Amino acid sequence: KNQVEQSPQSLIILEGKNCTLQCNYTVSPFSNLRWYKQDTGRGPVSLTIMTFSENTKSNGRYTATLDADTKQSSLHITASQLSDSASYICVVSFSSGTYKYIFGTGTRLKVLA
Amino acid sequence: DAGITQSPRYKITETGRQVTLMCHQTWSHSYMFWYRQDLGHGLRLIYYSAAADITDKGEVPDGYVVSRSKTENFPLTLESATRSQTSVYFCASRGTGDSPLHFGNGTRLTVT
Repeated sequence: KNQVEQSPQSLIILEGKNCTLQCNYTVSPFSNLRWYKQDTGRGPVSLTIMTFSENTKSNGRYTATLDADTKQSSLHITASQLSDSASYICVVSFSSGTYKYIFGTGTRLKVLA
Repeated sequence: DAGITQSPRYKITETGRQVTLMCHQTWSHSYMFWYRQDLGHGLRLIYYSAAADITDKGEVPDGYVVSRSKTENFPLTLESATRSQTSVYFCASRGTGDSPLHFGNGTRLTVT
């Protein structure tokens, strides 16, 4: 069964601290994996895309990793800010250029001052 | 302004009523999607469209109808609303290849 599982479900950290969010998937055939950020009351926004051949990719304070062998991805947030408070959703695409996506249920991150 | 807009943002309706949620995008993206988001579930695909006049069912299409007469618009209609359709509905569009989904800000629908 094609699935995307994220952990933890929720996380609370202090401003300035780092954190890592996990995504495990069992999707085949795999095309790519994206991390989206969803602020409260808004639609998700893409942070980064990981393809099969990529191990690490950074976007500012966000660094995504992908291990295609173990089918795991992580999103590391460095020096967290209050504006990082949001849900982070891992989305796996079945095959290139199609409509087929499997969404994780997200990790809800709260950054406290 | 370029983007994808949904209307209304909030809607309360009664069981059995017909409701239409609107979605408009200004990028001329071929692909458009309707998802619903519920606690404990990832976003679930209701319908998608690969181009004007081409639509197809997603994972949870029952009770919903879509149309796409123009590339930029993709309305979603609940023919006879039920309480189980209380949810947040997101419209999205996507360009070619592996470009990301661009989401609207959602419509929160409550069916009483």
